[in-house]
Amino acid sequence: DTVLTQSPALAVSLGQRVTISCRASKSVSTYMHWYQQKSGQQPKLLIYSASNLESGVPSRFSGSGSGTDFTLTIDPVEADDIANYYCQQSNELPLTFGSGTKLEIK
Amino acid sequence: EVQLQQSGAELVKPGASVKLSCKTSGYTFSNYYMSWLKQMPGQNIEWIGNIYGGNGGTGYNQKFKGKATLTVDKSSSTAYMDLSSLTSEDSAVYFCARLIKQGFDYWGQGVMVTVSS
Repeated sequence: DTVLTQSPALAVSLGQRVTISCRASKSVSTYMHWYQQKSGQQPKLLIYSASNLESGVPSRFSGSGSGTDFTLTIDPVEADDIANYYCQQSNELPLTFGSGTKLEIK
Repeated sequence: EVQLQQSGAELVKPGASVKLSCKTSGYTFSNYYMSWLKQMPGQNIEWIGNIYGGNGGTGYNQKFKGKATLTVDKSSSTAYMDLSSLTSEDSAVYFCARLIKQGFDYWGQGVMVTVSS
């Protein structure tokens, strides 16, 4: 299985830029997607295929990377962005998710 | 508007089975895959498997083979997941989500399954 590794938590000040990383145990090309999950809610697709912004998602969110290293950037961070962020690969079965990064405000 | 509406919370006894539903609207059900996913409290999201709305073809995560059975009813645009021989390790929130090449683009609201005597 492809294991995706994320940092457990990040603290950032409002208005600043934050980068959340995801490293895959093997190449997934650009078959990497990012989700936001707020407490008690279902995940929401933010970025698909590494760098494409899902319709309706604010342009403050962006993604980059290919192969094994990927990043999700939020710039600037707003209070509404407090959530867990998950990466997910669709290069091979089983589909797998990272363990999530909790975004906190300083 | 695409919507995935899941059934309500379940409290089930160890060893029992439960059937969860995911009723869809706003798109052509038979043209898409539906996935089911598991999230234990405060934990990672796990993909259980896929089912194609058109012909009911399935693909499972090896970890959940024998535990989960996916079916569809095209006439009502509804996907189902049976979970069998439940234990405390099956207590979790279960989501249905529409799967496209670009990820899971629509999700149900999730259903909490609690296994307890």
